[in-house]
Amino acid sequence: AQSVAQPEDQVNVAEGNPLTVKCTYSVSGNPYLFWYVQYPNRGLQFLLKYITGDNLVKGSYGFEAEFNKSQTSFHLKKPSALVSDSALYFCAVKRATDSWGKLQFGAGTQVVVTP
Amino acid sequence: GAVVSQHPSRVICKSGTSVKIECRSLDFQATTMFWYRQFPKQSLMLMATSNEGSKATYEQGVEKDKFLINHASLTLSTLTVTSAHPEDSSFYICSASPELEQFFGPGTRLTVL
Repeated sequence: AQSVAQPEDQVNVAEGNPLTVKCTYSVSGNPYLFWYVQYPNRGLQFLLKYITGDNLVKGSYGFEAEFNKSQTSFHLKKPSALVSDSALYFCAVKRATDSWGKLQFGAGTQVVVTP
Repeated sequence: GAVVSQHPSRVICKSGTSVKIECRSLDFQATTMFWYRQFPKQSLMLMATSNEGSKATYEQGVEKDKFLINHASLTLSTLTVTSAHPEDSSFYICSASPELEQFFGPGTRLTVL
């Protein structure tokens, strides 16, 4: 069975500083990896995904993530954080051959960007 | 990207009543939709897989008689919380996948008094 770990419950960063949200995963076979963002009382918004190809994936709102197979990580990064980036971030993984019902979410990381 | 809508966005009901939540795929057809439940500051928990034209598949521990799912068309799935109680209060989110992405609805906040 697959699993996802987001080791930090909360990440605090000052506006303009780099933002990193960590994610490690465990899955047998090829993984599909995703990052989603959730604002209060809203659904999940897709940020980016890794399916295949380049390990560095660029997504919405200036976010990017790097797939590292040897470290089984898929950390989310943004070079310069904005106050509006404050939200709850979820990493998710499924095995490439599995259905969407097997999509496994991490516990989420609350990002707080201070002015 | 594809759009998934949910209605209502927020509902408050009395204990013992039933509440229906709709999930629609607006610009694609979805033979499968998913229903999640999310508690405050927690991750999403898959409740069930909604299959068009057939019975839903429920995750372990989810009461199928409590959470009725109907997927009557390729663009609509409904979740009915029957005889709701305060412990059913939660944020319910649906999703669907046209291709290699999973699109989520905006969620429905259910509060049972």
